[in-house]
Amino acid sequence: KAGVTQTPRYLIKTRGQQVTLSCSPISGHRSVSWYQQTPGQGLQFLFEYFSETQRNKGNFPGRFSGRQFSNSRSEMNVSTLELGDSALYLCASSLGGGEKLFFGSGTQLSVL
Amino acid sequence: AQRVTQPEKLLSVFKGAPVELKCNYSYSGSPELFWYVQYSRQRLQLLLRHISRESIKGFTADLNKGETSFHLKKPFAQEEDSAMYYCALRGGAGTALIFGKGTTLSVSS
Repeated sequence: KAGVTQTPRYLIKTRGQQVTLSCSPISGHRSVSWYQQTPGQGLQFLFEYFSETQRNKGNFPGRFSGRQFSNSRSEMNVSTLELGDSALYLCASSLGGGEKLFFGSGTQLSVL
Repeated sequence: AQRVTQPEKLLSVFKGAPVELKCNYSYSGSPELFWYVQYSRQRLQLLLRHISRESIKGFTADLNKGETSFHLKKPFAQEEDSAMYYCALRGGAGTALIFGKGTTLSVSS
């Protein structure tokens, strides 16, 4: 079974631009969660989608948004990028009932 | 509000020494607690969860509701245990999994 796939692996953007990250979950998984990972803050929860609906949301500004498609693939969008948005963005999938998460390798975003 | 605290950013031990990675949580109900591990150049993965009450790679963790702790322990550390360890909490089915900031375990010979 293929694992969680995140694309692209690396992104370099400049301040003010917007970016879209993609996540393909494990086949059959209906939940996709997004996390921001930085050395100082660890893993911070962004949001979770389940069956195309946002089920949970973390404490990030509205510049961070996401969506989930009918095939469970998810995208995350960050608008008006700031230097502080530089981080590794991790996506994780699960069946959706509280069992363990399976993580992707992440997208490393650098904002210059 | 849910909160997970891992007080140590870095824990350095010698091979064969006991290891205890601390995790304290704040949650008013009955939480589900997990330990996730990230080895160098590998994906973050589940190590163990409290409801399973199992030992994985020699690690155990006991949920102490009185002290609101879920410390990870191993009696004899191995060099391959060197990794970043995250404690995580879920308030209930359908809620988000919240992580602590992580502790880097370094085991040297």
